[in-house]
Amino acid sequence: NAGVTQTPKFRILKIGQSMTLQCTQDMNHNYMYWYRQDPGMGLKLIYYSVGAGITDKGEVPNGYNVSRSTTEDFPLRLELAAPSQTSVYFCASRRQATYEQYFGPGTRLTVT
Amino acid sequence: AQKITQTQPGMFVQEKEAVTLDCTYDTSDQSYGLFWYKQPSSGEMIFLIYQGSYDEQNATEGRYSLNFQKARKSANLVISASQLGDSAMYFCAMREANFGNEKLTFGTGTRLTIIP
Repeated sequence: NAGVTQTPKFRILKIGQSMTLQCTQDMNHNYMYWYRQDPGMGLKLIYYSVGAGITDKGEVPNGYNVSRSTTEDFPLRLELAAPSQTSVYFCASRRQATYEQYFGPGTRLTVT
Repeated sequence: AQKITQTQPGMFVQEKEAVTLDCTYDTSDQSYGLFWYKQPSSGEMIFLIYQGSYDEQNATEGRYSLNFQKARKSANLVISASQLGDSAMYFCAMREANFGNEKLTFGTGTRLTIIP
């Protein structure tokens, strides 16, 4: 049981490049989330999903896209990377019946 | 207005003492939930405790308890008998759900350092 896995662990992007951050959970959780954590700050919700085929915007969705074609996977797409997207990105999931979120180890992204 | 306010950027506590981390929140919803997460220097987020707005008893999980004072809109985390391994960042967070839309807001955190 791997829990929530994220790839890659680290990435450096040039301004204007695109990339996809991968997130997979093997706990059959309905809910999945993407957060970003800027230095010295708390987490901000980018997008979330309540099940396959259903996604919704969080607090800071601009510059990102998501899809949820399966229960297990919730990739986050960055188009036209900007320095303001330099951050640590966390994926999380939870069961429908409880509110405890299980977090992945994070992806540290630098855009230069 | 800040949804979640953590007024203590840093705290130093002697090992084995109890510590209270402050959290106040702002919401007009009747149904909401409050969380505490721990983030060690390794960076992962670890769930500690959850309190629903309708829960009458304060939540407890081992050495962690949540002092929930609804009228004052505060949800302080109490750690009893602190240990060196408790040194970490601690985040308070709130969940609101309006018409199926889920909002999650985190505070800016408190860095707790346990002194031997």
